[in-house]
This record gives sequence, structure tokens and C-alpha cells, in this order.
Amino acid sequence: AQKVTQAQTEISVVEKEDVTLDCVYETRDTTYYLFWYKQPPSGELVFLIRRNSFDEQNEISGRYSWNFQKSTSSFNFTITASQVVDSAVYFCALSVMDSSYKLIFGSGTRLLVRP
Amino acid sequence: NAGVTQTPKFRVLKTGQSMTLLCAQDMNHEYMYWYRQDPGMGLRLIHYSVGEGTTAKGEVPDGYNVSRLKKQNFLLGLESAAPSQTSVYFCASSPGMTSADSYEQYFGPGTRLTVT
Repeated sequence: AQKVTQAQTEISVVEKEDVTLDCVYETRDTTYYLFWYKQPPSGELVFLIRRNSFDEQNEISGRYSWNFQKSTSSFNFTITASQVVDSAVYFCALSVMDSSYKLIFGSGTRLLVRP
Repeated sequence: NAGVTQTPKFRVLKTGQSMTLLCAQDMNHEYMYWYRQDPGMGLRLIHYSVGEGTTAKGEVPDGYNVSRLKKQNFLLGLESAAPSQTSVYFCASSPGMTSADSYEQYFGPGTRLTVT
């Protein structure tokens, strides 16, 4: 069965600290996609990144970086020099390899960045 | 392009009432989805459609019905609302198998539904 676990329910940091959000996934498929979404207080879901299972290169986008390790089934997300605007709920998701292409979401991590 | 839109944005229902949530997309996507988001549980799939005229059950389909009469629209119906259906509902669409971006899902802004 496919599953995504985000063990950190809430994280609180002070502005400018680095913070890492953990994501562990389970799947028997060899081909799959992983995603991160941001949900700010306004409620919409903002797409951050998509990574396929054959691409284990780490990715950096500005202050955001992602570390994908198939050996540990993890796809962790790091924010460097956090800012108050980073305060949001962050979801990790797995795309299943059936005809539906549906997403399996983790329960989310609420990040609070204090000034 | 409006992307994915949802109507209404907010709604309050009494137990037993019925309503329909409308999702519309203008990206000519084949696949459409309805998810619900509850506190501490992430998003869970209710129903989905892989093309016009098709629907299928997701993880939590009970109490909901859907229809996809037109490719651009995906309707979610509650025939007899219950307090357990209080949630935020998100619609999403995806290009499907014909696209290199088949795994990408584009989300609507959400509908906040309260059943009293």
C-alpha cells in the first residue's frame, strides 16, 4: 500500500533559522512521483516541486532545497534563512502508478516562523 | 486562463440538506479529482474522473456522488448532508496519460463547507 508520513505535526522557528521538513513514503512501485505543496493561511494549495523516482539529484530553488533519498524512502524539504512569509502548512504527496494518477498526501507539517 | 475554479467558496448547510459543488477547468485536462481536507489528516480523495462521462470512487466516497457530463466540469453532490461532511473541499485537474506532465495536478481554491 502507498503511504506518506510527515511525522512533524508542527515546527516553530525564529526568522532566519534553517528548518527541514521530513517526508517518508511507502510504495512498491519503482516508478513514481513525489511532490511538495504549500498551503498558506489563505488556504490555497501552492505547488512547490515534483520529483520522479529516477532522479535522485538534490534540487535547490532560492532558499528552498529538496533532498531525495530512495535508500531511506525520504524526500525532505529544507528552507534556508526562514522568513515569516514561509509560515504555512506543507504537504508531501506521492503519485500512485495506477490509471487514476491520484495523489496520496501526508498529514502535513505546520511551520510557524516567528519574527 | 482561469485554471481551476470552484463554486461556491463557502457554504453552510443544515443536516439533511443537499447541495452541489461545481468544479470547472479551462486547461482541457482529461483527469479531475475531488479531495477533502480535514484537520490533521491531509487531503483524501473522494471521487475522480479519467475523462468525460466517467467517474470512479476514491478513498472516502460514502455520502457523495459525482458527475462529469462535460469535460471541463466535475460536480460533487451531497444528497443528505451530515456534520461529518464539514470540511474543505478541493478540486484538481490533471492532463492525464497523454501528457509529459501527467502527474501534475492543478488545484482549485477550495470550498469551505459547514454542516450544522
